[in-house]
Amino acid sequence: GEDVEQSLFLSVREGDSSVINCTYTDSSSTYLYWYKQEPGAGLQLLTYIFSNMDMKQDQRLTVLLNKKDKHLSLRIADTQTGDSAIYFCAESPTSLFYNQGGKLIFGQGTELSVKP
Amino acid sequence: EPEVTQTPSHQVTQMGQEVILRCVPISNHLYFYWYRQILGQKVEFLVSFYNNEISEKSEIFDDQFSVERPDGSNFTLKIRSTKLEDSAMYFCASRQQGAFSYEQYFGPGTRLTVT
Repeated sequence: GEDVEQSLFLSVREGDSSVINCTYTDSSSTYLYWYKQEPGAGLQLLTYIFSNMDMKQDQRLTVLLNKKDKHLSLRIADTQTGDSAIYFCAESPTSLFYNQGGKLIFGQGTELSVKP
Repeated sequence: EPEVTQTPSHQVTQMGQEVILRCVPISNHLYFYWYRQILGQKVEFLVSFYNNEISEKSEIFDDQFSVERPDGSNFTLKIRSTKLEDSAMYFCASRQQGAFSYEQYFGPGTRLTVT
């Protein structure tokens, strides 16, 4: 079945790197995503990676994908207090081609706390 | 920058009442979605919609739920007879058409409280 798992909490000091981990079960997933949710707000798309890539870098964010182990990670370099939020990993198990739905399956979210 | 909007931001209703949650997707997007997040739980997929019909729905999306695109801009979720367990944050999302349109954008959500 489709399932995405994340650890619930991560606490880091300002300036350190944060690494948020995620495992997923559906090997047919085409795209994997990271979303950020600040308190009381919606889901902000941070970045995504296509399943035939191993790594994607976008400014302070680095996504690593180990397709064999179905493991995805998000590294935030030089973490700031403004990065404190819940980070959701999501997979897209249905094909995005031929007008199929493209639903997202989310993990339970990792709450990142950044201490000054 | 274009964004998905949702109204109202908070809706309080009594059990058994009908509610309609409204969304305005990004204007050139053609795929639309509803998700919900019960407090402290995962964001769950409800339904996807394309070309004026449902493309996929989850087990949660039973006969009390319906979706509609009544005009060229709005996308609505109707819950016919609300239950206490329908209390949640409901998110609308949209994405562009095309095989390579992989970015799904979410609205700020509507908090539904059923009393």
